[in-house]
Amino acid sequence: EAGVAQSPRYKIIEKRQSVAFWCNPISGHATLYWYQQILGQGPKLLIQFQNNGVVDDSQLPKDRFSAERLKGVDSTLKIQPAKLEDSAVYLCASSLAGFKGSSGNTIYFGEGSWLTVV
Amino acid sequence: AQSVSQHNHHVILSEAASLELGCNYSYGGTVNLFWYVQYPGQHLQLLLKYFSGDPLVKGIKGFEAEFIKSKFSFNLRKPSVQWSDTAEYFCAVMDTGFQKLVFGTGTRLLVSP
Repeated sequence: EAGVAQSPRYKIIEKRQSVAFWCNPISGHATLYWYQQILGQGPKLLIQFQNNGVVDDSQLPKDRFSAERLKGVDSTLKIQPAKLEDSAVYLCASSLAGFKGSSGNTIYFGEGSWLTVV
Repeated sequence: AQSVSQHNHHVILSEAASLELGCNYSYGGTVNLFWYVQYPGQHLQLLLKYFSGDPLVKGIKGFEAEFIKSKFSFNLRKPSVQWSDTAEYFCAVMDTGFQKLVFGTGTRLLVSP
């Protein structure tokens, strides 16, 4: 079974530039997550999709971050304009679970997109 | 909203020593619990998970964890660590309603040969 695919793996940009990350979840997985992991910290949830609808984006800095999941499959996460503190690994994850009431589901993570803002 | 505390930020052990990493969570509802491992330069991998049933859960590579509901704890254990266990370990809790997964800050384990 193919895992969660992410690209690009590495990106270096200057502050105030924009960047986009792409994620292809495991086939058939309804729920998709984007996490931000700053060096030395645990992953922090940015946004959670259920099919193509947003379940939780309470920690997404909406003035500069945006995400979409068109057709309920692939997803893109965009940062514009980037700040130095956005340097982190951006993790995409997916799970089979449906919304509410589907316990016992495991979330699978991609390898991450490493962003350095200089 | 749920939260997770990992009290040991850095742990240094010699090979063959026993390991126990603490994890406490805060959430009033039903939860699923996870331990993930991140080896240097690699992505997060699932070590083990608790959904229901036997509170003692066995995972890969000889790891196990025990869910103690009354203490809101899910501590990770391994009787004898190896150099290859050097990694960062994350405890995570998911509410079964919204399926939101929240991570602790992680514990860095260094095993010296």
